[in-house]
Amino acid sequence: GEDVEQSLFLSVREGDSSVINCTYTDSSSTYLYWYKQEPGAGLQLLTYIFSNMDMKQDQRLTVLLNKKDKHLSLRIADTQTGDSAIYFCENTGKLIFGQGTTLQVKP
Amino acid sequence: GAGVSQSPSNKVTEKGKDVELRCDPISGHTALYWYRQRLGQGLEFLIYFQGNSAPDKSGLPSDRFSAERTGESVSTLTIQRTQQEDSAVYLCASSQRLAGSYNEQFFGPGTRLTVL
Repeated sequence: GEDVEQSLFLSVREGDSSVINCTYTDSSSTYLYWYKQEPGAGLQLLTYIFSNMDMKQDQRLTVLLNKKDKHLSLRIADTQTGDSAIYFCENTGKLIFGQGTTLQVKP
Repeated sequence: GAGVSQSPSNKVTEKGKDVELRCDPISGHTALYWYRQRLGQGLEFLIYFQGNSAPDKSGLPSDRFSAERTGESVSTLTIQRTQQEDSAVYLCASSQRLAGSYNEQFFGPGTRLTVL
């Protein structure tokens, strides 16, 4: 069946770049999304990419989409302690979320 | 405007009791979703309502789970004869579900259910 997979944990130092990866099986989606869940809070949309794009940049965020490999990544430049959260990718065609990647940013 | 609200924020119940969780979506959003998030795990899709169409119940884990939605407004998720494995945060989201278009889901803060 449809599946979305993410690495579970990433630890970086403040100021470094973070790269969170996501692979999916269903390629019918028009959009793919990244959501952020801060501790004790609900999910909020962080950014998204249209499926006919390869890359989207939004300030410190860069989303890369490799449709051939069905691979989505989120790069956060100059990672800050406020970026510590769980990041979910979503394959919106099927309302399927990855299991979330916990990003820990060390000062 | 107001976002998605859920109540109660926390619910502690005894095994075997029924619970009812409420979600108030953003006004005008035709689509409403329920998810379950167990501790340290990702989101598990439960059910999806879109306008007056029949809901997509494919994610409900057992017949103890049911959900209703009145028109395009409030939804309730009911869990009958709760079990300890039902302990989780239950998240509700709503969106303007327009086919083929940008479709952000707006999430509520969740209801934390603890079954003793």
